Amino acid sequence: DQQVKQNSPSLSVQEGRISILNCDYTNSMFDYFLWYKKYPAEGPTFLISISSIKDKNEDGRFTVFLNKSAKHLSLHIVPSQPGDSAVYFCAASVRSGGGADGLTFGKGTHLIIQP
Amino acid sequence: DAGVIQSPRHEVTEMGQEVTLRCKPISGHDYLFWYRQTMMRGLELLIYFNNNVPIDDSGMPEDRFSAKMPNASFSTLKIQPSEPRDSAVYFCASSLHRDRNSPLHFGNGTRLTVT
Repeated sequence: DQQVKQNSPSLSVQEGRISILNCDYTNSMFDYFLWYKKYPAEGPTFLISISSIKDKNEDGRFTVFLNKSAKHLSLHIVPSQPGDSAVYFCAASVRSGGGADGLTFGKGTHLIIQP
Repeated sequence: DAGVIQSPRHEVTEMGQEVTLRCKPISGHDYLFWYRQTMMRGLELLIYFNNNVPIDDSGMPEDRFSAKMPNASFSTLKIQPSEPRDSAVYFCASSLHRDRNSPLHFGNGTRLTVT
């Protein structure tokens, strides 16, 4: 049973436009959410996170939005650049799980930035 | 900082053989994690250690899987005997603290193919 779902296996966006990656979760105990980025033949790298006490967190071109009532979060990248082409993983943790040991990952979305 | 180092990068073996994957975490990190990535299940946590002690191995799929951390700078994940369904990318990750603000640092993974 996937508690963190990324329903779009892939997404193609034109360079310069906004990329929106979506993530849904089912466990209402999740209270901290993260996005990781992964290039081919490399491990995932941390990108941005958000706590459930917030509904938005911004870091440069990357913004994560959290809608707790809908159990939905999204990652916005604007403007999209060729180097953003990668697989993006959504992850979540429960309060009792504390830190990294409580991370549940989605299956990932492959973002392709078209020139 | 060299990051998390995994070896080998690729491993091809025959069913029934023993496989040993190796990991060197980032110096000073006191948490070490083993993850497995497959198309069907995405990124799954197999086991994690704190200060060289296994804390949670509930993600280890079967008794054929075992992991050790004999010291702070080295860990192994062993599969004996290996089966074709074990084919996946295995990631090792480390973190400084077990808290929300200490993201996981992943190695580049070992791609295991069992024929």
